[in-house]
Amino acid sequence: EAQVTQNPRYLITVTGKKLTVTCSQNMNHEYMSWYRQDPGLGLRQIYYSMNVEVTDKGDVPEGYKVSRKEKRNFPLILESPSPNQTSLYFCASSWGKAGGRGYEQYFGPGTRLTVT
Amino acid sequence: DAKTTQPTSMDCAEGRAANLPCNHSTISGNEYVYWYRQIHSQGPQYIIHGLKNNETNEMASLIITEDRKSSTLILPHATLRDTAVYYCIVRVAPGGTGNEKLTFGTGTRLTIIP
Repeated sequence: EAQVTQNPRYLITVTGKKLTVTCSQNMNHEYMSWYRQDPGLGLRQIYYSMNVEVTDKGDVPEGYKVSRKEKRNFPLILESPSPNQTSLYFCASSWGKAGGRGYEQYFGPGTRLTVT
Repeated sequence: DAKTTQPTSMDCAEGRAANLPCNHSTISGNEYVYWYRQIHSQGPQYIIHGLKNNETNEMASLIITEDRKSSTLILPHATLRDTAVYYCIVRVAPGGTGNEKLTFGTGTRLTIIP
């Protein structure tokens, strides 16, 4: 089954304690992306990756890092989380440059992060 | 990417057709209309997309006006599981060399009434 998985699904942590949210897709997609969703602000893109070792900032990258060492994985790293990073996070993937193979983006189930 | 305008909320009786409108009067010739939905904090789910012809798949139909300035998503026989926020997004086709970012607006909160 084609899917995007995220772990953990729920996380409560304290300010300053480094954490990683994993994202994995099994569709051989080139493009992957992270969004955060906050009430009243909608979904905002954090980082994206066009392919392995190719990443770039989205609209709200401050306080986040990403890496793309393998095609299937795109972890989101919070090196020193702060309460304003409390949010619902979604990973997404699609064919990217091979877009003719499909127009849809696939989203993961979400990770609800609380930073106290 | 062109901006879209959708009603904030709509109700529909279970079993009836749900018609969700979207205005995109500044759409460019190479931009597609996409519809996604989000069921209660789950990940957004792709529904359908179109350029200028009407489209239908197993989930829904998409009707795009001839001038392409508006469109309507039709869920033919709405069920309670269709209660969700529906997003109309306009952007170019994928496959270029740039960011494939989807710009989600506020969407339409569709409630299916039993």
